[in-house]
Amino acid sequence: AQSVTQLDSHVSVSEGTPVLLRCNYSSSYSPSLFWYVQHPNKGLQLLLKYTSAATLVKGINGFEAEFKKSETSFHLTKPSAHMSDAAEYFCALSGGYNKLIFGAGTRLAVHP
Amino acid sequence: GAVVSQHPSRVICKSGTSVKIECRSLDFQATTMFWYRQFPKQSLMLMATSNEGSKATYEQGVEKDKFLINHASLTLSTLTVTSAHPEDSSFYICSGYKTGSTDTQYFGPGTRLTVL
Repeated sequence: AQSVTQLDSHVSVSEGTPVLLRCNYSSSYSPSLFWYVQHPNKGLQLLLKYTSAATLVKGINGFEAEFKKSETSFHLTKPSAHMSDAAEYFCALSGGYNKLIFGAGTRLAVHP
Repeated sequence: GAVVSQHPSRVICKSGTSVKIECRSLDFQATTMFWYRQFPKQSLMLMATSNEGSKATYEQGVEKDKFLINHASLTLSTLTVTSAHPEDSSFYICSGYKTGSTDTQYFGPGTRLTVL
């Protein structure tokens, strides 16, 4: 069965410090993986996606993620957090019938 | 770009009434659209897959007679919550794939439904 596990429900960082949001996946085949961001009462915005090309994927707003097959991970990072990065982040896996399987989400708080 | 809109953004209705939510792809055609439900501080739960010109496919546990989905054109899908009850209060989000591509889902901004 396919699944996505986001290892932290909440992450708190100071502005200007690095961000790490962790995501592990389970899939019987080579997956497509996505990171989405959701600001309060808004829909989801695509940050980046991995579709079996380069394992290091660069996204919008300075975010990037590295696909590690041996660790079944797709962690999201950013070198320096900004106050506007505070939001909910979802890792997702493309499953059967083109459906997305979402993780439970990680709430990122950024403190001055 | 790939923009999806939803209307209304917020709706409050009385228990027992029906509410229709529209999902439109503004700058692309979407053969396939999805409807999700999101409870506070939780992840998205897929309710159904909507295909243009055919019946929607519902996920297990989702009542198809309660959540009516219509996908009459390549740019519009609607979700009607029939005989709404307070437990139907939630954030409903739609998404779509560009026709001919299943690479990326593009999401709408969501509709907050409150049933009194």
